[in-house]
Amino acid sequence: AQSVTQPDIHITVSEGASLELRCNYSYGATPYLFWYVQSPGQGLQLLLKYFSGDTLVQGIKGFEAEFKRSQSSFNLRKPSVHWSDAAEYFCAVVLNRDDKIIFGKGTRLHILP
Amino acid sequence: NAGVTQTPKFRILKIGQSMTLQCTQDMNHNYMYWYRQDPGMGLKLIYYSVGAGITDKGEVPNGYNVSRSTTEDFPLRLELAAPSQTSVYFCASSQSDTQYFGPGTRLTVL
Repeated sequence: AQSVTQPDIHITVSEGASLELRCNYSYGATPYLFWYVQSPGQGLQLLLKYFSGDTLVQGIKGFEAEFKRSQSSFNLRKPSVHWSDAAEYFCAVVLNRDDKIIFGKGTRLHILP
Repeated sequence: NAGVTQTPKFRILKIGQSMTLQCTQDMNHNYMYWYRQDPGMGLKLIYYSVGAGITDKGEVPNGYNVSRSTTEDFPLRLELAAPSQTSVYFCASSQSDTQYFGPGTRLTVL
């Protein structure tokens, strides 16, 4: 079955440290890939998306993600986190543009001062 | 441009009561969605609509109903509230690939 997996439920990093959040998908073809962020008490906001082309995509708030076809992964990275990055992050996939989006279960990011 | 708005922000219901969660978007998007979010479970699609007058079931439609009489509005109705419907509900809209979310409605059924 088609699915998207975020292996880490919680991640804690120190402010200023680098960050990588993992996302793996299981589809026969390369889907459209997204990362969303949800701050406490808020709705989801799109960070970045990948459809085709350059496998390293830049998003808002200094985030980037790299698509690796061989690993069926789309990991989110940030070189130096800020306390305001504490939130829940969702990876999502769509097989075709008219299909429904499927979300991972999310990774909650905690930032140590 | 308000984007996607949802009302109410919070609501407590008794078992068996009914209510309607309101969702409005001002971006003229054709696609609209209702999700519920439970801790550790991500988002699950309840219903969606591809345009006015057209709705379809998502992953978890039981206990809910929707209508889409206009492009802007996509209300979600709970007819007989049950404790299992305690959740945070998000409405979203999209025109092509990117979904825009409302701030959510936190519903508790006691």
